[in-house]
Amino acid sequence: ETGVTQTPRHLVMGMTNKKSLKCEQHLGHNAMYWYKQSAKKPLELMFVYSLEERVENNSVPSRFSPECPNSSHLFLHLHTLQPEDSALYLCASSRMDRGNSPLHFGNGTRLTVT
Amino acid sequence: GIQVEQSPPDLILQEGANSTLRCNFSDSVNNLQWFHQNPWGQLINLFYIPSGTKQNGRLSATTVATERYSLLYISSSQTTDSGVYFCAVVANTGFQKLVFGTGTRLLVSP
Repeated sequence: ETGVTQTPRHLVMGMTNKKSLKCEQHLGHNAMYWYKQSAKKPLELMFVYSLEERVENNSVPSRFSPECPNSSHLFLHLHTLQPEDSALYLCASSRMDRGNSPLHFGNGTRLTVT
Repeated sequence: GIQVEQSPPDLILQEGANSTLRCNFSDSVNNLQWFHQNPWGQLINLFYIPSGTKQNGRLSATTVATERYSLLYISSSQTTDSGVYFCAVVANTGFQKLVFGTGTRLLVSP
């Protein structure tokens, strides 16, 4: 699927670095999501932006900070991460105001924290 | 919150064999999707199937919402079918939040 584009595909960062993940969707959707996939764990929803409202999973640490400047773009700002934050970070989008539409995922950013 | 269980956790098939993957969920849902995650991590949307039956080539899926389960059928499996298959649901209550099962890891050998 090419409707949701994530950059970079791979990222290696030290614990003191600050970096950002980017996601862009070209599907005309109005909701965007960040998911985290760690080894041997189910995908975990981190944040949802829907109709300019943000909903977050309360278990996500503050070192992860999302930003959604418009309905097509989503960022995840990272700072002072820990090695256990190494994971695959997946962005998704959907259409919220037409009932329940399927989510479409990007290819993910594989993050390694050293 | 809603619980999603998938079985089997691991499956090894010979190329050409058929298989059935199961997804059980603990509450009524208004959205159910099946995904295939390939070895590169890419999540491919296979079916959006909150109820009923759909077919797409060698794959088909059936969701029986009243009995809270869904099945994914893979026929004449190919090595490219290898990867992890996830079921994900959205509960009828609360904010739309897609909850994933732990997946079925499939390996198709030639």
